[in-house]
Amino acid sequence: QSALTQPASVSGSPGQSITISCTGTSSDVGGYNYVSWYQQHPGKAPKLMIYDVSNRPSGVSNRFSGSKSGNTASLTISGLQAEDEADYYCSSYTSSSTQVFGTGTKVTVL
Amino acid sequence: QVQLVQSGAEVKKPGSSVKVSCKASGGTFSSYAISWVRQAPGQGLEWMGRIIPILGIANYAQKFQGRVTITADKSTSTAYMELSSLRSEDTAVYYCAIAAAGVHYFDYWGQGTLVTVSS
Repeated sequence: QSALTQPASVSGSPGQSITISCTGTSSDVGGYNYVSWYQQHPGKAPKLMIYDVSNRPSGVSNRFSGSKSGNTASLTISGLQAEDEADYYCSSYTSSSTQVFGTGTKVTVL
Repeated sequence: QVQLVQSGAEVKKPGSSVKVSCKASGGTFSSYAISWVRQAPGQGLEWMGRIIPILGIANYAQKFQGRVTITADKSTSTAYMELSSLRSEDTAVYYCAIAAAGVHYFDYWGQGTLVTVSS
């Protein structure tokens, strides 16, 4: 199972919106509505930000939103803030009953 | 609120094995699926496998098949991940993470355990 493909880095100015893509195959992202997104600050454990493509856990800002089209899922951060600077990973359930993570995207707030 | 507390850092020799524990509190242990995810220095997250304690069934990423064993002790609400035939590339932070029954995302994570493989 190959890792899902994400851009290595995305940047934006405070207040702007950015979108991170996550591309897989019909055996993972495209086959199930089980894409989740995690935020990870340096030296910390990942934190769930979006689950089942577009749902936000309680306590996560509504500036974070998710979507999916075909084999590509996306995470959008609107109204970018300094504290959003972190690494972001997508994850998907797969047809082998396993999980696979994306390659990770470093978000920089300019 | 579920809490996952992992065992401490380990230093191992190449060719040896390591066993990391993950103790859960604040939830119904048997109803979860507990996964292990590792992160090599400066690298991304990598799913290794999971166990569903109530079923006692584990499944693993193909990459780790035959080298990793995930078990769970329901009596102590503790999951274990044992990795054998260690090599330098296994140096990483190992996380446990839980998913509620029937869901495919991780809403609680352990603090991570650094395993260093060095001669």
